[in-house]
Amino acid sequence: GAVVSQHPSWVICKSGTSVKIECRSLDFQATTMFWYRQFPKQSLMLMATSNEGSKATYEQGVEKDKFLINHASLTLSTLTVTSAHPEDSSFYICSARDGTGGNQPQHFGDGTRLSIL
Amino acid sequence: DAKTTQPNSMESNEEEPVHLPCNHSTISGTDYIHWYRQLPSQGPEYVIHGLTSNVNNRMASLAIAEDRKSSTLILHRATLRDAAVYYCISYSNYQLIWGAGTKLIIKP
Repeated sequence: GAVVSQHPSWVICKSGTSVKIECRSLDFQATTMFWYRQFPKQSLMLMATSNEGSKATYEQGVEKDKFLINHASLTLSTLTVTSAHPEDSSFYICSARDGTGGNQPQHFGDGTRLSIL
Repeated sequence: DAKTTQPNSMESNEEEPVHLPCNHSTISGTDYIHWYRQLPSQGPEYVIHGLTSNVNNRMASLAIAEDRKSSTLILHRATLRDAAVYYCISYSNYQLIWGAGTKLIIKP
């Protein structure tokens, strides 16, 4: 089945540091990838939709300059949390869709646990 | 956006069938119904999806009401590894609209 690899699995860093998270589709090409954030005991919140070769589409309330998304190839999207602060600590999850249309499931990475001290 | 409602939690005994309900009364005629599950500290895992007809795969079955206002995910023989949060999701405008999910507890 389709596999999405997310790296790193967890990261702990000091406040003010920028952190990059990678999301790769290993055995399929993904023109669209999605970035989510999940707080403890809550559901997933869509942050942005990443489109290969074009700008990402951000959800309302998500700061574009804070969460930089780059989708330079059909198999890689990156999320950079710039100047991270403790309130950015969360579980970040990416997903990729194998194909287009509502009958195509999304495949998820295993998430990145980000802890800002 | 179409929204789904699910019970917060359900319990079931191991090796028994589990029926997880979902209401989606405002879903549009072209929105697919997807089910995903999430184990603690992991990303969600795709389970099954459908539009109008009942669907079966190796993981589960999906029974969709004729009026499409509700659906039921069926795990035919639950194991301890099926303990997870199950999300019933409508696929609208190329995005998954996530609800709160049902926490499934499997009792040995």
